[in-house]
Amino acid sequence: DTGVSQNPRHKITKRGQNVTFRCDPISEHNRLYWYRQTLGQGPEFLTYFQNEAQLEKSRLLSDRFSAERPKGSFSTLEIQRTEQGDSAMYLCASSLGQGKYFGPGTRLTVT
Amino acid sequence: DQQVKQNSPSLSVQEGRISILNCDYTNSMFDYFLWYKKYPAEGPTFLISISSIKDKNEDGRFTVFLNKSAKHLSLHIVPSQPGDSAVYFCASTTSGTYKYIFGTGTRLKVLA
Repeated sequence: DTGVSQNPRHKITKRGQNVTFRCDPISEHNRLYWYRQTLGQGPEFLTYFQNEAQLEKSRLLSDRFSAERPKGSFSTLEIQRTEQGDSAMYLCASSLGQGKYFGPGTRLTVT
Repeated sequence: DQQVKQNSPSLSVQEGRISILNCDYTNSMFDYFLWYKKYPAEGPTFLISISSIKDKNEDGRFTVFLNKSAKHLSLHIVPSQPGDSAVYFCASTTSGTYKYIFGTGTRLKVLA
């Protein structure tokens, strides 16, 4: 399977705990994106990498959120001190040009 | 500030008939538009796109129409098939930004 993969697919955590998600993009894609989707909404942009450089961050990405793409390949998204409002589907996508290919997402539930 | 709006949350169509999904945008800087399809438990899958220099783009059963003066785009699926049942999102962006603004989606149900 050469698509975008995300792990874990589901994560249940207690409020206040830290969580980390991983995204493996399509291998030749130099751009990687994180989006968040809540129930009844479309995906909302969080951040974007070109190779290892983080080029844009949304205002949605509070100080508790950090994303890395250390070698320009896989990326991690960490949420510190999770809150119930962080419960959502976290989607990763990658691209070479304009068209983005999305992974299956990680569903986070904060109890 | 909903820059991309899909005002119909759901749509039901008979198999074989045409499905028309609509999307409106407010930002005149948007110059590239896309449609994605999403099945449950999967990420969105790219369907078709259109640049603002065109008013129509066709790919098999899928055609996207763009009316720049009305800031409106639509996706036509003909003939509709039961496998088309999914949530459809339109997305808009400005060239060079790579940030998509998505609508809230329309759930299409194609009835056999």
